[in-house]
Amino acid sequence: NAGVTQTPKFRVLKTGQSMTLLCAQDMNHEYMYWYRQDPGMGLRLIHYSVGEGTTAKGEVPDGYNVSRLKKQNFLLGLESAAPSQTSVYFCASSIRPNTEAFFGQGTRLTVV
Amino acid sequence: DAKTTQPNSMESNEEEPVHLPCNHSTISGTDYIHWYRQLPSQGPEYVIHGLTSNVNNRMASLAIAEDRKSSTLILHRATLRDAAVYYCILRDFSSASKIIFGSGTRLSIRP
Repeated sequence: NAGVTQTPKFRVLKTGQSMTLLCAQDMNHEYMYWYRQDPGMGLRLIHYSVGEGTTAKGEVPDGYNVSRLKKQNFLLGLESAAPSQTSVYFCASSIRPNTEAFFGQGTRLTVV
Repeated sequence: DAKTTQPNSMESNEEEPVHLPCNHSTISGTDYIHWYRQLPSQGPEYVIHGLTSNVNNRMASLAIAEDRKSSTLILHRATLRDAAVYYCILRDFSSASKIIFGSGTRLSIRP
């Protein structure tokens, strides 16, 4: 059972480039979340989804887009990367909003 | 959204119990109290959660005040592996967006 898998694990982008981070879960969870974590800080919610075909904004959505075309996948896109988006990105999923959330191992993104 | 307040850091000795406090004075009736921890260079992992009654599992115990305005995560016998940042989070049954992390408590364990 793989749980929550994030790809890639590391990436370096130049300012203005675009990329997509993939989150895949094999637990048939309805809810999926994208967070970012800056050095020495807690996690901040970027976007979330309550089911296939749905997305919603979290605390810090600007500069990011998301899609949930399939229940098991939640994609986070950066259309034009900026140095301020240098961070570690975590994906999570849960069956319901008040149940245990499972997190991926993170994607370390550096924008130069 | 209801917020939580935790001490920035705590230290404890190996093999001794650890009590990690969390204040949530504006908690609503539908908020569950969740605890997660984050080991160095890893994603957060679930520890325990509860609504009103105290809860126990293989990792820890959660003691919830009668008025629900505070809670305490109890690690019964700390090991070096328990050194992590511990987050107290309120999760609402009806709103998926209310999964807001605070700054957490950095727990250090002395051998």
